Amino acid sequence: QKEVEQNSGPLSVPEGAIASLNCTYSDRVSQSFFWYRQYSGKSPELIMSIYSNGDKEDGRFTAQLNKASQYVSLLIRDSQPSDSATYLCAATSGGSNYKLTFGKGTLLTVNP
Amino acid sequence: EAGVVQSPRYKIIEKKQPVAFWCNPISGHNTLYWYLQNLGQGPELLIRYENEEAVDDSQLPKDRFSAERLKGVDSTLKIQPAELGDSAVYLCASSLTMSGYQYFGPGTRLLVL
Repeated sequence: QKEVEQNSGPLSVPEGAIASLNCTYSDRVSQSFFWYRQYSGKSPELIMSIYSNGDKEDGRFTAQLNKASQYVSLLIRDSQPSDSATYLCAATSGGSNYKLTFGKGTLLTVNP
Repeated sequence: EAGVVQSPRYKIIEKKQPVAFWCNPISGHNTLYWYLQNLGQGPELLIRYENEEAVDDSQLPKDRFSAERLKGVDSTLKIQPAELGDSAVYLCASSLTMSGYQYFGPGTRLLVL
């Protein structure tokens, strides 16, 4: 069973701080990794993707990937109350049968 | 560009009754996914379509669940008969090809009493 593990939280940070969300995956041949944001009562929306080891920055968001450690993270700089949501980490399966496996998500609360 | 459309948004039924969910993907998206999401969990894939072909239905409980995607556009997911444990949010998503870049519809919240 290929798994994606996340700390369910809740993670609480003050406005303006850096929020750090972490994720590990079990399938060593996973190639692609995604962060989805899900507001309460809404559906997931893609915010970041990463394929190569290292950092990828997009505005206030930075995704980090370490394939040797099977570790993915998402940093949110200058956190805003509007960032309060559940963040889902997802990884694609290796092999020919493509499948996106989601973690349980981490609930982030940004306090004004 | 219109997003993924799902209906109904909410459904309450009694156990053992049938229920059906409908999804219209983003225009031009060949790949369509049905996911189930329980409270506090991430989405779990039920079935993936490439055009009209179901290419991954390994997680679909085939004794009570069925799905179809006629003409490779709209899709319907059916449960018959529904059980109490089927209460969840059913999400439809689409992408241009099989990809992690998926666009989700608003979901159908099912409550089985």
